[in-house]
Amino acid sequence: EDQVTQSPEALRLQEGESSSLNCSYTVSGLRGLFWYRQDPGKGPEFLFTLYSAGEEKEKERLKATLTKKESFLHITAPKPEDSATYLCAVPSGGPEGQNFVFGPGTRLSVLP
Amino acid sequence: GAVVSQHPSRVICKSGTSVKIECRSLDFQATTMFWYRQFPKKSLMLMATSNEGSKATYEQGVEKDKFLINHASLTLSTLTVTSAHPEDSSFYICSARVWGGNYEQYFGPGTRLTVT
Repeated sequence: EDQVTQSPEALRLQEGESSSLNCSYTVSGLRGLFWYRQDPGKGPEFLFTLYSAGEEKEKERLKATLTKKESFLHITAPKPEDSATYLCAVPSGGPEGQNFVFGPGTRLSVLP
Repeated sequence: GAVVSQHPSRVICKSGTSVKIECRSLDFQATTMFWYRQFPKKSLMLMATSNEGSKATYEQGVEKDKFLINHASLTLSTLTVTSAHPEDSSFYICSARVWGGNYEQYFGPGTRLTVT
């Protein structure tokens, strides 16, 4: 059964304090690792897709990396507006990869 | 691009009534749409997968007669919560998968349902 875990569950950072969020996955045949950001009361917002080990993608203060077992979301010099829940997910459910298996998320709080 | 809308954003209904939530892909065609439910401080729980022109596939434990899903076109899916009860109160989110895309799902803003 495909599984996704995330750590830590919650993370508090001071503004400017860089850190990393972890997403570990167990999947039979990776068809992409997806990162989303979710603000309270909103739907998830797409951030990145990574497809193969060693791949990296960047967007502003965020950089996502992928290995064969896990993905990291690195946040460099975060700002309060980066506060959100960060979710990772992998496609599952047969050859069509219909469904997403989501991790439980990491709630990030960046304090001014 | 890849914008998904939901309507309404918030709805309050009385116990025993039905409520319909619409999910639209605004600038792309979506052969597959997904409906999720999210409890406070929890991750998304997949309820059903909706394919255009065919019956929805429900996850285990989700009552298909209670949560009616219709995917009438490549840009519209609806979720109807029938005979709503207070325990159906939740945050419902839809997503759409781009036709021909690489598994990406784009999410709507969510609908907050409160059953009184």
